[in-house]
Amino acid sequence: EVQLVQSGAEVKKPGESLKISCKGSGYSFTKYWIAWVRQKPGKGLEWMGIIYVGDSETRYSPSFQGQVTISADKSISTAYLQWSSLKASDTAMYYCARPSRIGSITDFDYWGQGTLVTVSS
Amino acid sequence: EIVLTQSPGTLSLSPGERATLSCRASQSVSSSYLAWYQQKPGQAPRLLIYDASSRATGIPDRFSGSGSLTDFTLTINRLEPEDFAVYYCQQYGSSLTFGGGTKVEIK
Repeated sequence: EVQLVQSGAEVKKPGESLKISCKGSGYSFTKYWIAWVRQKPGKGLEWMGIIYVGDSETRYSPSFQGQVTISADKSISTAYLQWSSLKASDTAMYYCARPSRIGSITDFDYWGQGTLVTVSS
Repeated sequence: EIVLTQSPGTLSLSPGERATLSCRASQSVSSSYLAWYQQKPGQAPRLLIYDASSRATGIPDRFSGSGSLTDFTLTINRLEPEDFAVYYCQQYGSSLTFGGGTKVEIK
């Protein structure tokens, strides 16, 4: 069974750093891309970026380029999303998601359960 | 970047009625690389339709997708109580973008 399991909720202060994770299982993790999607409270879905785990090729949405860093550790089938200096506006639910086709950036058929990040002084 | 505009923002319907949701792209979506998702409160999105008209695994046939180029439609025939949710379109023909969503609420 394919699963994406994300790390737990975080409460941080502005200016702090953070790294959240998404662990895949039940499929060949290195043969797929993994995307990160933001959803602010009561708002829609925003694609942030995507990484091909096999060679760590990464692409970012222009809106998020330079704001976050996406990485992966294929030895433990885990992808990461990190911030060096959080802002209150980063408060949101963050989802990881897997495209449906090997090696391609397509529709997302599997999603993590989401990680709620709250940034408040 | 391709911008996806969904309409209407909210659709108020009764169970048993048909829902027609629109997703319009600012440029042609190549190869009809467009998907539809359903999201219920507190849940991750669920894939309904991919490649504009193919139903994902386990999706009931009352959900159907159509369209091409810049105009796409999700139709839900005979709304069931569990279909009241927010629906998003997503294109993957040129990078990735999501539409703003349509909420289908009970009238």
